[in-house]
Amino acid sequence: NAGVTQTPKFRILKIGQSMTLQCTQDMNHNYMYWYRQDPGMGLKLIYYSVGAGITDKGEVPNGYNVSRSTTEDFPLRLELAAPSQTSVYFCASSPGLAGEETQYFGPGTRLLVL
Amino acid sequence: DQQVKQNSPSLSVQEGRISILNCDYTNSMFDYFLWYKKYPAEGPTFLISISSIKDKNEDGRFTVFLNKSAKHLSLHIVPSQPGDSAVYFCAASATTSINSGGYQKVTFGTGTKLQVIP
Repeated sequence: NAGVTQTPKFRILKIGQSMTLQCTQDMNHNYMYWYRQDPGMGLKLIYYSVGAGITDKGEVPNGYNVSRSTTEDFPLRLELAAPSQTSVYFCASSPGLAGEETQYFGPGTRLLVL
Repeated sequence: DQQVKQNSPSLSVQEGRISILNCDYTNSMFDYFLWYKKYPAEGPTFLISISSIKDKNEDGRFTVFLNKSAKHLSLHIVPSQPGDSAVYFCAASATTSINSGGYQKVTFGTGTKLQVIP
């Protein structure tokens, strides 16, 4: 049981480039999330999904897109990378059941936009 | 608007002593509270939680206290160990209605870096 896996672990992008951050979970969780963490800050929700085919915006969705074609995968797409998107990105999943609020996080992707 | 606040960015404690990490919140709709622990270069991991209908939950060396009237919760670690050195995030959740049904929206604090000195 690998839990939540994220690739890549680290990436440098040039301004204007695009990339996809991959996230996969093997716990059959309904809910999946993307967060970013800036230095000295908490986790900010970018997008979330409550099931395959259903996604919605979080607090800071601008500049990002997501899709959820399967229960397992929840990729995050960055279009036209900007220095403000330099951050650590965490993917998480949870069962989505009442009383099961615990989220399980991946190891993170560190992104540097220059 | 920071609905979940951890006002102490850092805390240093001697090994064996008690560590107390504090968290304040403003949204009275929060009904579930969690603490996560994060080591460098790793994702946060769940530590302990408490429902809003309780005022205390204990799990080994970790105890979380909830004071609803003060909108305050705290995490006690007794005794503190060097392996407890990490960043601790307080989180609170509330049910939010969306088109597809209820969704537990979780709001995180900014974290407190705990250093346990041997």
